[in-house]
Amino acid sequence: AQKITQTQPGMFVQEKEAVTLDCTYDTSDPSYGLFWYKQPSSGEMIFLIYQGSYDQQNATEGRYSLNFQKARKSANLVISASQLGDSAMYFCAMRESMNTGNQFYFGTGTSLTVIP
Amino acid sequence: EAQVTQNPRYLITVTGKKLTVTCSQNMNHEYMSWYRQDPGLGLRQIYYSMNVEVTDKGDVPEGYKVSRKEKRNFPLILESPSPNQTSLYFCASGQGRHTDTQYFGPGTRLTVL
Repeated sequence: AQKITQTQPGMFVQEKEAVTLDCTYDTSDPSYGLFWYKQPSSGEMIFLIYQGSYDQQNATEGRYSLNFQKARKSANLVISASQLGDSAMYFCAMRESMNTGNQFYFGTGTSLTVIP
Repeated sequence: EAQVTQNPRYLITVTGKKLTVTCSQNMNHEYMSWYRQDPGLGLRQIYYSMNVEVTDKGDVPEGYKVSRKEKRNFPLILESPSPNQTSLYFCASGQGRHTDTQYFGPGTRLTVL
């Protein structure tokens, strides 16, 4: 089974609107972490937000929030008030630390386009 | 400035010619890792290291070697590159086990002819 699933290859959003990017995960590690990264066309990987499996509250970082639904194994990224600079690829990732250390798994990404 | 550096940024080589991609971080991070990114596949972990002299295989280790002799450096070695190793490679570092951060280098685009 896929560790991380991102089912939206491409998304469009109007500038200043909110958008939700979907991510589901699969793990038996009780102490895992969930990450979202942004990759603009320039290619660098930019860390956006982190959610630990034991965190009770949803993580927020500025305009980014992570909608963490543990029972459903979902970790959707919500971007509020979209800006043109938000156009990029977005990757969901999971860290497992069960055995020898930090193994990371990434989804295939969602390409977000913000329309003026 | 806190950063992860990789060299070279771009490399074109031929099948079978050994190469090394260097990675260095200045944040005193225990954890370092290598990934490759291919279209439609996202990022896949090649190797990771929890500390000096400790390395482990990720999802796609075949054809790669790594070493961690110093905390700040984590080179990726391709002993005999093949065309299917043409990819974008990222090095990353983080604080340690259960890390809540992972900082990426700028990437190395490798083409093997």
